[in-house]
Amino acid sequence: EDQVTQSPEALRLQEGESSSLNCSYTVSGLRGLFWYRQDPGKGPEFLFTLYSAGEEKEKERLKATLTKKESFLHITAPKPEDSATYLCAVQGGTQGGSEKLVFGKGTKLTVNP
Amino acid sequence: GAVVSQHPSRVICKSGTSVKIECRSLDFQATTMFWYRQFPKQSLMLMATSNEGSKATYEQGVEKDKFLINHASLTLSTLTVTSAHPEDSSFYICSASRGGLVDTQYFGPGTRLTVL
Repeated sequence: EDQVTQSPEALRLQEGESSSLNCSYTVSGLRGLFWYRQDPGKGPEFLFTLYSAGEEKEKERLKATLTKKESFLHITAPKPEDSATYLCAVQGGTQGGSEKLVFGKGTKLTVNP
Repeated sequence: GAVVSQHPSRVICKSGTSVKIECRSLDFQATTMFWYRQFPKQSLMLMATSNEGSKATYEQGVEKDKFLINHASLTLSTLTVTSAHPEDSSFYICSASRGGLVDTQYFGPGTRLTVL
């Protein structure tokens, strides 16, 4: 069974204090790993898709990396508006061709000014 | 691009009534749409997957007769919660993808359902 574990559950940073969020996964035949941002009371907002180990993607202050066992979301010099819950999800090859995602529980990030 | 809308954003209803939630892909054709529910401080739980013109595939434990899903076109899917009860109160979120072996799901803004 595919599983995703995110850590830490919650993270408080001061504005400008860089850090990383972790997403560990076990999946049969990774087809894609996804990062989303979710604000309270809203649907998840797509950030990145990573397909294979060694791949990296960047968007503004965010950078996502992928290994065979985990993914990191690096946040450089965060701002208060980066406060949100960050969700990691995987799509595996055992889903019989469906696009079903398995989500982690998320990391709630709070950036204080 | 890749915008998904949901309507309504909030609904309050009495126990025993049925509620319909619409999910639309505004700027792309969605081969597949998904319905999730999310409890407070929990992650997303997939309820069902639907492909245009086909019957939805429900996850284990999700009642097909209670949560009716219709994917009538490549831009519209609906979720009807039949005979809603207070335990059905939750945050319902849809997503849509263009299809393909690996394709991104784009999520709607969610619908907050409260059953009195």
